Amino acid sequence: QSALTQPASVSGSPGQSITISCTGTSSDVGGYDYVSWYQQHPGEAPKLMIYGVSNRPSGVSSRFSGSKSGDTASLTISGLQAEDEADYYCSSYTSSITHVFGTGTKVTVL
Amino acid sequence: EVQLVESGGALVQPGGSLRLSCAASGFIFSSSWMTWVRQAPGKGLEWVGNIRPDGSDKYYVDSVKGRFTISRDNAKNSLYLQMNSLRVEDTAVYYCARDSGNFFVDVWGQGTTVTVSS
Repeated sequence: QSALTQPASVSGSPGQSITISCTGTSSDVGGYDYVSWYQQHPGEAPKLMIYGVSNRPSGVSSRFSGSKSGDTASLTISGLQAEDEADYYCSSYTSSITHVFGTGTKVTVL
Repeated sequence: EVQLVESGGALVQPGGSLRLSCAASGFIFSSSWMTWVRQAPGKGLEWVGNIRPDGSDKYYVDSVKGRFTISRDNAKNSLYLQMNSLRVEDTAVYYCARDSGNFFVDVWGQGTTVTVSS
């Protein structure tokens, strides 16, 4: 049950696009299309941004998109805005009938 | 409005016990998988465990197996986390969350803080 691997930090200028990777194994990310992404601002509870690899809940901006290739999932934020500055976590269902989160990525808007 | 409100967080000594509660409202609690997630100070999220809608099955992360127990009372729309043999490394904000039933969490509480220290 090791945490999924994410880059510690990613940054970009307003209007640019950034991509956050989330690497697991064939027992989690690679084995199921059950990857979700969460945004967390300081002092707040996480918020669901993407589920089922690439689906957006209602109310989440279309600037957020998700994808997966093999054991690595990705979250792309296009048209980066100041309010996107936050921590982002991926999560996956696992073959152990549990869930696992990623190590987290701090997004900085320059 | 869908809402989850945790309570019960406190300062406890290593080896002690604590029971967290989570009051749910605004959705059919008895039909929902429920989850506990924790976040140590300055650290990332950690999935602690979840429970089936009827309470018949529970799953846990290895680090809490044998020490933590998730339970629920559907008549009271409440979720619980019984924590025994607490360790310093269990210090965290504990979030109650609803599992959508499709392998992702879609509703989160605001969290309750557990501090394990002598």
